[in-house]
Amino acid sequence: QVQLQESGPGLVKPSQTLSLTCTVSGGSISSGSYYWSWIRQPAGKGLEWIGRIYTSGSTNYNPSLKSRVTISVDTSKNQFSLKLSSVTAADTAVYYCARDHGYRGIDYWGQGTLVTVSS
Amino acid sequence: EIVLTQSPGTLSLSPGERATLSCRASQSVSSSYLAWYQQKPGQAPRLLIYGASSRATGIPDRFSGSGSGTDFTLTISRLEPEDFAVYYCQQYGSSTTFGQGTRLEIK
Repeated sequence: QVQLQESGPGLVKPSQTLSLTCTVSGGSISSGSYYWSWIRQPAGKGLEWIGRIYTSGSTNYNPSLKSRVTISVDTSKNQFSLKLSSVTAADTAVYYCARDHGYRGIDYWGQGTLVTVSS
Repeated sequence: EIVLTQSPGTLSLSPGERATLSCRASQSVSSSYLAWYQQKPGQAPRLLIYGASSRATGIPDRFSGSGSGTDFTLTISRLEPEDFAVYYCQQYGSSTTFGQGTRLEIK
């Protein structure tokens, strides 16, 4: 059973860079035809896709966030990471990492981690 | 970017009733690339349907999906108490987008 766990600071100051890591267990991040994705959800609001990475290193990003987002993968640690620069209060949200099986849907999700942007 | 619009925003029904949730896309979506998720408070979303009509592993057969082009539907044939939640549609492409969600509440 694949499990994903987000980790990182729960509080980030405005204008700084938000950094989160997702650790995958129960399977190799390199195996299979999967993307590894980040999705966020502000309190009381809907889901917003941030972007995804394939194990080859190729990435796709939400056009509205593309200038501030970097997603990377470390296959040796079975982890992938998110960096979001120049954050503002609007970036306060629960951030989920997930396994994206493409047309078969996003089938495994982490529990989510709340990141608050505040001074 | 493809915009997904879900309706209604809130649906109030009783257990045992049939629920019909709609997802409309701003441009045509391949049926293979449309999914539905259920989210309960404090939990991550759960995949229900992919490819517009294929149930994900372990999803009861009271959940069904249909549609093509720009109009897609999630149907719950007979509502169980645990089905009251928020439902999202999602389209997969080079840029993935989600609908804004439909809240299914107990009447």
